[in-house]
Amino acid sequence: QQQVKQSPQSLIVQKGGISIINCAYENTAFDYFPWYQQFPGKGPALLIAIRPDVSEKKEGRFTISFNKSAKQFSLHIMDSQPGDSATYFCAASGRSSYKLIFGSGTRLLVRP
Amino acid sequence: ETGVTQTPRHLVMGMTNKKSLKCEQHLGHNAMYWYKQSAKKPLELMFVYSLEERVENNSVPSRFSPECPNSSHLFLHLHTLQPEDSALYLCASSQDRGGSGSPLHFGNGTRLTVT
Repeated sequence: QQQVKQSPQSLIVQKGGISIINCAYENTAFDYFPWYQQFPGKGPALLIAIRPDVSEKKEGRFTISFNKSAKQFSLHIMDSQPGDSATYFCAASGRSSYKLIFGSGTRLLVRP
Repeated sequence: ETGVTQTPRHLVMGMTNKKSLKCEQHLGHNAMYWYKQSAKKPLELMFVYSLEERVENNSVPSRFSPECPNSSHLFLHLHTLQPEDSALYLCASSQDRGGSGSPLHFGNGTRLTVT
């Protein structure tokens, strides 16, 4: 019940295309869902996050879509750029918790 | 310096050695974390300290021993490690609980190889 399942494991997209990464969770006590971006040789960094009281959150080219009934959320990267090539992790946590449960990661490659 | 700094960046140690990883945060945060990143389990929480008190201990073997002498520094003491402990060890900090929406700020990690 503590798992967050992430797919796909890897993704190749042409420049200008849309990248979509999906995550699913089981624990209904989770109420905070961030996405982290990690470049090679660097630690992960927060990209965007959502709480289940909204179904969508957009920041620039990055959008989180959230489906509470299905217990799924996804990251959409519009107009993908080569500079977006990185590993993306979804995560989930309960409001009172220090513990972020991370998905297994998606390695994104955006081809020029 | 700003952010979260980890030293050393790379460490090679034998199974009988004792070594320590160091983390320092310059963000004024109250919580500090150790995560293990490997191919098998990409981001696995090991320990959490809040205001120098350990608040999470994620069933980590005793060959890993954390120390948090103050809110800016975190150490991970290593002894008699196994080859399967080879991984990237990431330190992070946050102002408040991660679940409250307080972002984790990660260092760039220490790449550990156990021979």
